Amino acid sequence: ELKVEQNPLFLSMQEGKNYTIYCNYSTTSDRLYWYRQDPGKSLESLFVLLSNGAVKQEGRLMASLDTKARLSTLHITAAVHDLSATYFCAVVANLRDSNYQLIWGAGTKLIIKP
Amino acid sequence: NAGVTQTPKFQVLKTGQSMTLQCAQDMNHNSMYWYRQDPGMGLRLIYYSASEGTTDKGEVPNGYNVSRLNKREFSLRLESAAPSQTSVYFCASSEAPGPGQPQHFGDGTRLSIL
Repeated sequence: ELKVEQNPLFLSMQEGKNYTIYCNYSTTSDRLYWYRQDPGKSLESLFVLLSNGAVKQEGRLMASLDTKARLSTLHITAAVHDLSATYFCAVVANLRDSNYQLIWGAGTKLIIKP
Repeated sequence: NAGVTQTPKFQVLKTGQSMTLQCAQDMNHNSMYWYRQDPGMGLRLIYYSASEGTTDKGEVPNGYNVSRLNKREFSLRLESAAPSQTSVYFCASSEAPGPGQPQHFGDGTRLSIL
């Protein structure tokens, strides 16, 4: 059974600092998503990582995937207040089965202070 | 540009009551999903529909039923609500069931069962 673990679950940081959120998963998968959720709002797709070594960047956020280590990272560069949100990773389970599913991490609540 | 629309946004029920959550998407997507989100946890898949005319159980289907009414609409029914079903429910859709397609989410239904 695929399990997905994010850490940290809560992160408070200062504007201008760099930090990394980690997403570990327990069984083989080479498909992973990152989503953002603002309080009381819906989930917004940030990145889709489709292969080992995939790296995607959007503004101050960069995501990478290491399928051998079963690890994805979401790196925040020079954080700004607008990036305050909860970030989720989701890993595809049963990729070779047409009934694949996404297994979600618990989320990392990120607060960026001025 | 509506995307995925869920109704209602909020609902309070008494134990044993029934209700149907509605979801409609206007992106001509083939696949639709129902998730629940509980505090401190990631999303858990309740049911999904890979294409019009098909539905399958997800991780936590007990106590729920679904109907894929047509390509646009996917409803979730609670036949006899229980306090354990208090949660935020999200509907999502994707272009295809393939794992490379990000899922697009509605704004959620906040459901409380007393």
